[in-house]
Amino acid sequence: NAGVTQTPKFQVLKTGQSMTLQCAQDMNHNSMYWYRQDPGMGLRLIYYSASEGTTDKGEVPNGYNVSRLNKREFSLRLESAAPSQTSVYFCASSELSGGNTIYFGEGSWLTVV
Amino acid sequence: GDSVTQMEGPVTLSEEAFLTINCTYTATGYPSLFWYVQYPGEGLQLLLKATKADDKGSNKGFEATYRKETTSFHLEKGSVQVSDSAVYFCALSRRTGGFKTIFGAGTRLFVKA
Repeated sequence: NAGVTQTPKFQVLKTGQSMTLQCAQDMNHNSMYWYRQDPGMGLRLIYYSASEGTTDKGEVPNGYNVSRLNKREFSLRLESAAPSQTSVYFCASSELSGGNTIYFGEGSWLTVV
Repeated sequence: GDSVTQMEGPVTLSEEAFLTINCTYTATGYPSLFWYVQYPGEGLQLLLKATKADDKGSNKGFEATYRKETTSFHLEKGSVQVSDSAVYFCALSRRTGGFKTIFGAGTRLFVKA
């Protein structure tokens, strides 16, 4: 009963370091997403993948890259971390990209110092 | 463009009080409407949803009715419990026209014993 699994749960990075957040879903969903959550800002979409083989920018894509490795996995990469990227990151998935319930992972707490 | 506006928090209530969290939306067409809940340290999870006008979504004692004439989807519960303390997000999603799920900023609820 895993649902959406993301790793790591906590990470501290130094400015300029790179890292990849991993995400996998076991619900055979077509669409996957990466959001960030900041105090007072709600959820903001970074990138999404409507289906395997496609990725598109969301509301705040600058400083990030993504890879839809296969139908199950969708990774988020920070090439050169900045303090402004300190946030909680959520991976999510849904059966289709419109009108459907979104299922979220438990979150990854990232601090950039 | 599409948008969701929900009442600012935090909302503080005593146990067994009546809860209302207001949510209004702006969208073309006929979006699906959702309430998600986020408990401390966790990802968002679906609380309830409604897919067409006059539909009522309900779950765990919470209810919300899709009102197209007032473009609203207010969340209500007749008697809150301490365990309902969480952040509540209103969201809309379109079934057509590509990816479109928009989240409100979230409303934090504290319930005191």
